[in-house]
Amino acid sequence: NAGVMQNPRHLVRRRGQEARLRCSPMKGHSHVYWYRQLPEEGLKFMVYLQKENIIDESGMPKERFSAEFPKEGPSILRIQQVVRGDSAAYFCASSETGYEQYFGPGTRLTVT
Amino acid sequence: GQQLNQSPQSMFIQEGEDVSMNCTSSSIFNTWLWYKQDPGEGPVLLIALYKAGELTSNGRLTAQFGITRKDSFLNISASIPSDVGIYFCAGRQGGSEKLVFGKGTKLTVNP
Repeated sequence: NAGVMQNPRHLVRRRGQEARLRCSPMKGHSHVYWYRQLPEEGLKFMVYLQKENIIDESGMPKERFSAEFPKEGPSILRIQQVVRGDSAAYFCASSETGYEQYFGPGTRLTVT
Repeated sequence: GQQLNQSPQSMFIQEGEDVSMNCTSSSIFNTWLWYKQDPGEGPVLLIALYKAGELTSNGRLTAQFGITRKDSFLNISASIPSDVGIYFCAGRQGGSEKLVFGKGTKLTVNP
């Protein structure tokens, strides 16, 4: 059973460009979560989705950030007009029941 | 936002020694999870705890869910070099699926 897949693993964007991060959950998992990690910090919750629905977006910045989990295909975290402060590691996790969350390898975003 | 207080921040130990680390909060949590993260990788789930007072083992790792539901402990016995990494605690409160993370304990094991 393959784990959570994320791509790309590394992404470099210039200020003002858009970043698209993809996440494929583990087989059979319908709960998807996105977290952000700054250097030397723990992970910070951003958003929780199930198929075609955003369940909890309490950790998502109000502007420029959006997330989706369509009926078909991976979950996408989209950051528009990136700024230097968006540079971080972004992790996706998935769960079957909502109790145990399994993380992907992350996407390291660098904004130049 | 809410955060868990994890200590110690870092530990330097000799191979074969036992390790203890803990996580505390001012709020009650219904689930405690312990993860290990290697450089450049995502966190790997080590142990999940669901009931106050629960003690659970996974090989040389043992974790406990505190009776007050405001803390959790992780012990590693007979450490080996591959135990090196950052250990994170994470908690989940009732009615929510989001995890709140501690800042991590960085473990270094000297052979």
